[in-house]
Amino acid sequence: NAGVTQTPKFQVLKTGQSMTLQCAQDMNHNSMYWYRQDPGMGLRLIYYSASEGTTDKGEVPNGYNVSRLNKREFSLRLESAAPSQTSVYFCASSDQGANTGELFFGEGSRLTVL
Amino acid sequence: KQEVTQIPAALSVPEGENLVLNCSFTDSAIYNLQWFRQDPGKGLTSLLLIQSSQREQTSGRLNASLDKSSGRSTLYIAASQPGDSATYLCAVKGGGFKTIFGAGTRLFVKA
Repeated sequence: NAGVTQTPKFQVLKTGQSMTLQCAQDMNHNSMYWYRQDPGMGLRLIYYSASEGTTDKGEVPNGYNVSRLNKREFSLRLESAAPSQTSVYFCASSDQGANTGELFFGEGSRLTVL
Repeated sequence: KQEVTQIPAALSVPEGENLVLNCSFTDSAIYNLQWFRQDPGKGLTSLLLIQSSQREQTSGRLNASLDKSSGRSTLYIAASQPGDSATYLCAVKGGGFKTIFGAGTRLFVKA
């Protein structure tokens, strides 16, 4: 049982380059999330998808776009990477909708923007 | 705005000791509270989930309690082992889909 799978695990970009982080879950969860984790800032929500076909902004959405490709997959795109986007990115999913769902996380994608 | 605080930020204990990690939150209108473990360079592993209607949850040597009225949760670890060394995070889910995380407690258990 793979749970939540993220690719790539590591990436180095130059300022201005673009890239997409991929996430897939095999738990048949309705909701999926993208977080970033920075030292001293904790985990912050970038975007989330309550269900297939919907996406909404979280706390720090600027500079990012997302696509809920289907129920399993939720991607995060950086159109023009900036050094401030150097971070560890985590994808998560949850069941049972908004109010009761337990969060499950992937292993993270470590991004460095030079 | 919900704020989640974890105290202490770091803790070092000898092997075998029982310990308590604390999590406090400012808005008692929560739907659930979840405790996670994070090893260096790894993702978050869910340890325990407490729904708002529950007072505690147990899994093996771990026991988590929830007191919504006082805005507090504790994670009790019995008979600590070196393998318990990690960062422990608590996360509070309020209305909607947004979960607020504490900064974590870094635990080191000495053999």
